[in-house]
Amino acid sequence: KAGVTQTPRYLIKTRGQQVTLSCSPISGHRSVSWYQQTPGQGLQFLFEYFSETQRNKGNFPGRFSGRQFSNSRSEMSVSTLELGDSALYLCASSSGQGASGELFFGEGSRLTVL
Amino acid sequence: AQSVTQLDSQVPVFEEAPVELRCNYSSSVSVYLFWYVQYPNQGLQLLLKYLSGSTLVKGINGFEAEFNKSQTSFHLRKPSVHISDTAEYFCAVTGDAGGTSYGKLTFGQGTILTVHP
Repeated sequence: KAGVTQTPRYLIKTRGQQVTLSCSPISGHRSVSWYQQTPGQGLQFLFEYFSETQRNKGNFPGRFSGRQFSNSRSEMSVSTLELGDSALYLCASSSGQGASGELFFGEGSRLTVL
Repeated sequence: AQSVTQLDSQVPVFEEAPVELRCNYSSSVSVYLFWYVQYPNQGLQLLLKYLSGSTLVKGINGFEAEFNKSQTSFHLRKPSVHISDTAEYFCAVTGDAGGTSYGKLTFGQGTILTVHP
């Protein structure tokens, strides 16, 4: 069974640009969550999608957005990039049935903003 | 609101020695607790989880953790560590808080475990 796949693994952008990251969940999983990991703030929850609907979101500005497609694949975008957006962005999938479900994480997309 | 405190940012230990990584949490609802491990340049892998039932939980790679409700703790232990256990370990909490729980884990700041030969 294939795991969670994130693309691209590494990317470099400059301030003011926009970026889109992709996540393919484990087959059969309908929930996709996104997290930002930085040395200073640690792991922070961005948002969660289930069956193409955002069910939950964290405390991030509107520059951070996401969507989910009918095949459960998800994308997240960050517009008007700032230096502080440099981070490892992790995607996780689960069955989405209740809070106790295990999250399976991908290897992440490492974004560097110059 | 929920929060997690990992009491040690770094834990050095010699190979074959026992180790305990400490985690305390706070939550206003019933909790589910997790320990994840992250190796360099990789994502998070689940070590073990507490959902209900027995307070002693066994996980992969010989790790175990004990849920202590009165002390709001969920410490991770291994009786004998290996060089390959060198990684960063994260304690996380979620709970049945309706829509605000979906897909959301609250993580501690992590503990870097370094196993020396």
